[in-house]
Amino acid sequence: EPEVTQTPSHQVTQMGQEVILRCVPISNHLYFYWYRQILGQKVEFLVSFYNNEISEKSEIFDDQFSVERPDGSNFTLKIRSTKLEDSAMYFCASSERSSGNHEQFFGPGTRLTVL
Amino acid sequence: KQEVTQIPAALSVPEGENLVLNCSFTDSAIYNLQWFRQDPGKGLTSLLLIQSSQREQTSGRLNASLDKSSGRSTLYIAASQPGDSATYLCAGGNTGTASKLTFGTGTRLQVTL
Repeated sequence: EPEVTQTPSHQVTQMGQEVILRCVPISNHLYFYWYRQILGQKVEFLVSFYNNEISEKSEIFDDQFSVERPDGSNFTLKIRSTKLEDSAMYFCASSERSSGNHEQFFGPGTRLTVL
Repeated sequence: KQEVTQIPAALSVPEGENLVLNCSFTDSAIYNLQWFRQDPGKGLTSLLLIQSSQREQTSGRLNASLDKSSGRSTLYIAASQPGDSATYLCAGGNTGTASKLTFGTGTRLQVTL
């Protein structure tokens, strides 16, 4: 069964460093998302992406964050200068959205630890 | 702004019992509601999606209902098993072009032998 994959599973970085989190959405899906979950808190929406541009972004998604679909399969989240408070689990999701099917499928997540 | 609440925060039941998890949302213009399962340290597994035009969806031992007028959804789990132990999250999709999901805090379910 098709699934969303994410790499790496765990990323440790120093404060101020840039990180890139990678996702491969399900192949026939057109809508892509990033969410994050700080330990013990709710899953929070960061950004949605369709047709090679951002559809919607949350207040969390400031100038330190960017997303890109560099080729036909990958979808990346870049954090330019990481802060301690960026430590969280980051989830990528995708949806097909044809015929009104909005079900979102999530990847296993990347645990980001900022030291 | 959509707010999603789940009650109870934690629930422990003996194996074989039927149970109901509750989800409340503030914006009745919700487009769809999705239920997920999350195991500790893992990703989110989609269980059921209910469109705003539907009142319920069933998958195996799971049944989810949606009542937009009262701002509530329930997830019914029949004949619970220890393998059902996990955190269950509900999330509301808005009517925006990409339907971002707004999540509740989850209900942590423990099914005991």
